[in-house]
Amino acid sequence: LAKTTQPISMDSYEGQEVNITCSHNNIATNDYITWYQQFPSQGPRFIIQGYKTKVTNEVASLFIPADRKSSTLSLPRVSLSDTAVYYCLSTSGSARQLTFGSGTQLTVLP
Amino acid sequence: NAGVTQTPKFRVLKTGQSMTLLCAQDMNHEYMYWYRQDPGMGLRLIHYSVGEGTTAKGEVPDGYNVSRLKKQNFLLGLESAAPSQTSVYFCASSLLAGRDNEQFFGPGTRLTVL
Repeated sequence: LAKTTQPISMDSYEGQEVNITCSHNNIATNDYITWYQQFPSQGPRFIIQGYKTKVTNEVASLFIPADRKSSTLSLPRVSLSDTAVYYCLSTSGSARQLTFGSGTQLTVLP
Repeated sequence: NAGVTQTPKFRVLKTGQSMTLLCAQDMNHEYMYWYRQDPGMGLRLIHYSVGEGTTAKGEVPDGYNVSRLKKQNFLLGLESAAPSQTSVYFCASSLLAGRDNEQFFGPGTRLTVL
């Protein structure tokens, strides 16, 4: 199983850009990088997915360098409501290999 | 669309009792999953299904059984509950696995085994 490593926690202030890095040294050729957000007492919610280079959607950007051994989730101008746990996953075509890990607790301060 | 729904939302069991958790999705997804989440931990995959009539073991399958008799439903059973199964259970579904495999999660079932 491809294992991901993330910081346990991060603090930020409202309006700042937040970058959360995930390490996945053993990522397989077919694996995609997927990020989820989870609020307390709720199920995770999909944020973004990518394979390489840069992917951007309405809520975040995902940067994956050429060696694909790490990835960075970028949240622009965070607000208090972005306080949540963020999970990085490497996902292949096999549903068997879904591993969420412990995630990164992001706390946005006023 | 309701998305993914789970029944019940809360349950308290005594050791040795059995129960079934129901997950339903109305998005015509092929893949369905059951996870458990313990306090301060990430989600761990219990069982999953890649289509109606199929099931497969995930990372932590022991003590659980599943069935997918209808495409829209995925049932998780505990035959003889143990305190170690106290957890929050999440069901999810996705159209595909791998690329474009966005999973849609239900609200969770909080289970306490005494």
